Amino acid sequence: AQSVTQPDIHITVSEGASLELRCNYSYGATPYLFWYVQSPGQGLQLLLKYFSGDTLVQGIKGFEAEFKRSQSSFNLRKPSVHWSDAAEYFCAFYTGGGNKLTFGTGTQLKVEL
Amino acid sequence: DGGITQSPKYLFRKEGQNVTLSCEQNLNHDAMYWYRQDPGQGLRLIYYSQIVNDFQKGDIAEGYSVSREKKESFPLTVTSAQKNPTAFYLCASSIGASGPSTDTQYFGPGTRLTVL
Repeated sequence: AQSVTQPDIHITVSEGASLELRCNYSYGATPYLFWYVQSPGQGLQLLLKYFSGDTLVQGIKGFEAEFKRSQSSFNLRKPSVHWSDAAEYFCAFYTGGGNKLTFGTGTQLKVEL
Repeated sequence: DGGITQSPKYLFRKEGQNVTLSCEQNLNHDAMYWYRQDPGQGLRLIYYSQIVNDFQKGDIAEGYSVSREKKESFPLTVTSAQKNPTAFYLCASSIGASGPSTDTQYFGPGTRLTVL
């Protein structure tokens, strides 16, 4: 079955520290991959996306993600976290056809000052 | 400013009542979507529409209905048949027919529905 997994439900990092949020997918080919961020009580904002080409993708707010086909992963990274990055982060993918996005269950990021 | 509007932000209803959530976009997008979000479950697709006067069921359509009479509007009705309607509802839109390479979904601010 096609699915996306975010293994970490909660992550806490100190402000200024680096961040990596994990995302693994299950699909027979290369899907289209996305990372979204959601502040409490708000909608989702697109951080970055990967369709093809360079496997290291740059996004907004200083985030980047790397697609690794061999590991079926699309991990999100940021070299130095700011307190305003505290939010919930969702990995998502779709495989074409009907434009249906499949979401992971999210990772809640807490930033300690 | 272009974007997606959902109203109201908070909605309270008594059990057994139907309720309609509004979603409007001025992005000139063909495709629109409704998702339901519950804690710890991510987002689940309720209905989607790729063009006016057409829509398809998503993964959890039971107890919900939609209409797409205008390109910019995609209202969702939560009926009394929905067994557990209390949730956060998100509307999204995308360009649509141009294909997946440009078909990124953009989200509205959401409506939190509480059924008492």
